[in-house]
Amino acid sequence: VQLVESGGDLVQPGGSLRLSCAASGFTFSSSWMTWVRQAPGKGLEWVANINQDGSEKYFADSVKGRFTISRDNAKNSLYLQMNSLRAEDTAVYYCTRDGRRDCSSTSCYFDFWGQGTRVTVSS
Amino acid sequence: DIQMTQSPSTLSASVGDRVTITCRASQSISTWLAWYQQKPGKAPKLLIYKASSLEGGVPSRFSGSGSGTEFTLTISSLQPDDFATYYCHQYNSYSRTFGQGTKVGIK
Repeated sequence: VQLVESGGDLVQPGGSLRLSCAASGFTFSSSWMTWVRQAPGKGLEWVANINQDGSEKYFADSVKGRFTISRDNAKNSLYLQMNSLRAEDTAVYYCTRDGRRDCSSTSCYFDFWGQGTRVTVSS
Repeated sequence: DIQMTQSPSTLSASVGDRVTITCRASQSISTWLAWYQQKPGKAPKLLIYKASSLEGGVPSRFSGSGSGTEFTLTISSLQPDDFATYYCHQYNSYSRTFGQGTKVGIK
């Protein structure tokens, strides 16, 4: 299993950025996928997740209305479109795969993580 | 959202020590709890899921227990590779949340 994020950059407040995650080594179209972020020196925060065919999407309140999550199963890729960026969105963003077994009825743990891509929002 | 509180926030221990980290949920999460290990500059790594199930490839010195609102991660004999930050994570609800982390350092 490999998850490789890209697209992180320095962006001004109010700007936009699109993160990508290239997945390999597993059947991408069978997996829920999630973005998790970690601000500098801080803990982990769930950002958004998407089901196998993209028909279900969930967002943290902190990003709702500003971020969108999508996927392209033909390209084995996950995306995070981030608009109206704020300083508090500065973080390393991780692409993760949801676990396959012993999940609750609503969500799951993360069994594989990418190496992360850094987003800095600053003027 | 369900709040997750870990204790302690930091601890110092020696190689060979038994280490226990506690995680408390603000409401019952049954056994929908995972533990991760994170080393500086690296992505977190899954250790335990469903409160007590050991992820494949994780050394057996790691164990998890608990249900409802109180959980523990135990390292039976701390090894040099175990010095890291540990996070608990609840997945009982759509809005998944993490504990603030416990940094395990060298005494």
